[in-house]
Amino acid sequence: QKEVEQDPGPLSVPEGAIVSLNCTYSNSAFQYFMWYRQYSRKGPELLMYTYSSGNKEDGRFTAQVDKSSKYISLFIRDSQPSDSATYLCAMRRGSTLGRLYFGRGTQLTVWP
Amino acid sequence: EPEVTQTPSHQVTQMGQEVILRCVPISNHLYFYWYRQILGQKVEFLVSFYNNEISEKSEIFDDQFSVERPDGSNFTLKIRSTKLEDSAMYFCASRKGDYGYTFGSGTRLTVV
Repeated sequence: QKEVEQDPGPLSVPEGAIVSLNCTYSNSAFQYFMWYRQYSRKGPELLMYTYSSGNKEDGRFTAQVDKSSKYISLFIRDSQPSDSATYLCAMRRGSTLGRLYFGRGTQLTVWP
Repeated sequence: EPEVTQTPSHQVTQMGQEVILRCVPISNHLYFYWYRQILGQKVEFLVSFYNNEISEKSEIFDDQFSVERPDGSNFTLKIRSTKLEDSAMYFCASRKGDYGYTFGSGTRLTVV
């Protein structure tokens, strides 16, 4: 099932660059949208979350959701080598059960 | 910060053997999950557990799989007769609220 699509990369940028990560989805019932960061052989770690459409900013990170286009984005400003990781988008329907649907993850490397 | 703890970190088992993967979720969380990630693929939902019963399961979670929360703190995933294709990272997660998913570091299961 290709409910959530995400370009796996890899993406390699110099320190200080603006990074744009994106996902598309097909299920219009998705209402909660999240971005996770995952280091090699570790569990996903919640980075950002948004409900329905709109923008949310937290420090160097901005998450955007466009429900009309079924498209979500994560922007990282002033990227640092410590941002090097795999970034996973995830989303869920509005029900309380809370099953998450993940994208495949984009592997990001920020080089000094 | 509270953590989800998973043991063991790595398990090697013979095909056809039973394995039990163990998790200690965060104590005041109400929803519990198992996900798996085959190398290079998406994180996939297996099962959710709420109020001492399975609330949702995926098509992957067939009769070979079972979950238990035997004592109010541990949450286990049992695979009755392992197959080669069960080799994956298995992640336990617990949740409080709409976004507060916390994942463990995972158990790497290798079936030989």
